[in-house]
Amino acid sequence: EAGVTQFPSHSVIEKGQTVTLRCDPISGHDNLYWYRRVMGKEIKFLLHFVKESKQDESGMPNNRFLAERTGGTYSTLKVQPAELEDSGVYFCASSDRGSYGYTFGSGTRLTVV
Amino acid sequence: EDQVTQSPEALRLQEGESSSLNCSYTVSGLRGLFWYRQDPGKGPEFLFTLYSAGEEKEKERLKATLTKKESFLHITAPKPEDSATYLCAVQAGSNDYKLSFGAGTTVTVRA
Repeated sequence: EAGVTQFPSHSVIEKGQTVTLRCDPISGHDNLYWYRRVMGKEIKFLLHFVKESKQDESGMPNNRFLAERTGGTYSTLKVQPAELEDSGVYFCASSDRGSYGYTFGSGTRLTVV
Repeated sequence: EDQVTQSPEALRLQEGESSSLNCSYTVSGLRGLFWYRQDPGKGPEFLFTLYSAGEEKEKERLKATLTKKESFLHITAPKPEDSATYLCAVQAGSNDYKLSFGAGTTVTVRA
């Protein structure tokens, strides 16, 4: 089965620009998660979708971040406008209904200059 | 807030030299403790889930154990291909799928 796919793998943007990250979960997985790791820190939770609904968005840092999951399939995470502190690696993961085990994507490395 | 602390930060081993990684945790209502392996440029790869104190799981040269306060990942007779960052994460609370990660232990195995 195909894994969790994220793109782009790398993105370099200027401060103030907008960037959209995309995640394609494993087909049929109801649960989709976004995490990020900023330099020197632990991987931190951002939010959790169950199908198209946001179940928990307690980790979203501020209102410059907007996540969507249209039709309960792929998800996008938009950062607008990007700030220097948004630089890091953004991971997406998915899991089946009732399962606590995740499958992670390879991540998108975002650099804001 | 859940806290997960991993030690050491880095571990350099000679091939065949067994060692252990530590993950200590402070959570309210542990649902599960997870071990992941992460290679450079990749996402975390699932290794084990442990649910209750006394539980042990094995996979090839890796063995994970769990107590009420910490978990150990034992690497027996490691090979260079075991070089990676090993991450510990916990899930806690009722009906909560969120993972809280430790900072990881980077293991380097020299031939």
